Amino acid sequence: ETGVTQSPTHLIKTRGQQVTLRCSSQSGHNTVSWYQQALGQGPQFIFQYYREEENGRGNFPPRFSGLQFPNYSSELNVNALELDDSALYLCASSSGGEAFFGQGTRLTVV
Amino acid sequence: LAKTTQPISMDSYEGQEVNITCSHNNIATNDYITWYQQFPSQGPRFIIQGYKTKVTNEVASLFIPADRKSSTLSLPRVSLSDTAVYYCLVVPSGNTGKLIFGQGTTLQVKP
Repeated sequence: ETGVTQSPTHLIKTRGQQVTLRCSSQSGHNTVSWYQQALGQGPQFIFQYYREEENGRGNFPPRFSGLQFPNYSSELNVNALELDDSALYLCASSSGGEAFFGQGTRLTVV
Repeated sequence: LAKTTQPISMDSYEGQEVNITCSHNNIATNDYITWYQQFPSQGPRFIIQGYKTKVTNEVASLFIPADRKSSTLSLPRVSLSDTAVYYCLVVPSGNTGKLIFGQGTTLQVKP
């Protein structure tokens, strides 16, 4: 157990819909990062939040957005879902040391 | 961030020692070498991190030559439960949240 909790664990959405994924970071960790992992590939960095501000972004379009709350929990929002958005979405929390990952949310877009 | 290259897959048998080598020719002075393990449908799990020479913990050893352009993760006496994908990453000091993963090495341990 890493102390990083993601919800929901599985989700099915229709193309064009919007989705919100949630992450509770490990206690004391002020940095949260989000990753997308397609089947058979390594995780791809989406963006990172540090003390409620976006602090770095990977090669993802603006329809991928996020929030970090005062308690350092975080949300990932994806608008206008596409079939290729089907993936495992991972959240990781850190505080200057190693990153701890949650179990992920499996998103299927149909 | 420096790119890494590692074998796509490896096979081993229970009880053997497994060595997975990773090359990172463009590693920068303030970069650390970090290895993660990932089981299917789970998030990656930190295994070990090092800067130079040798680092050992209860799970693995990490060997880094003087030029730091490569590293070797050593797993002693593997078991079936070590079957997983292993990722080698190069991470700037203090920047642990923005991790650049490659495809990793899929290790299959056979009975």
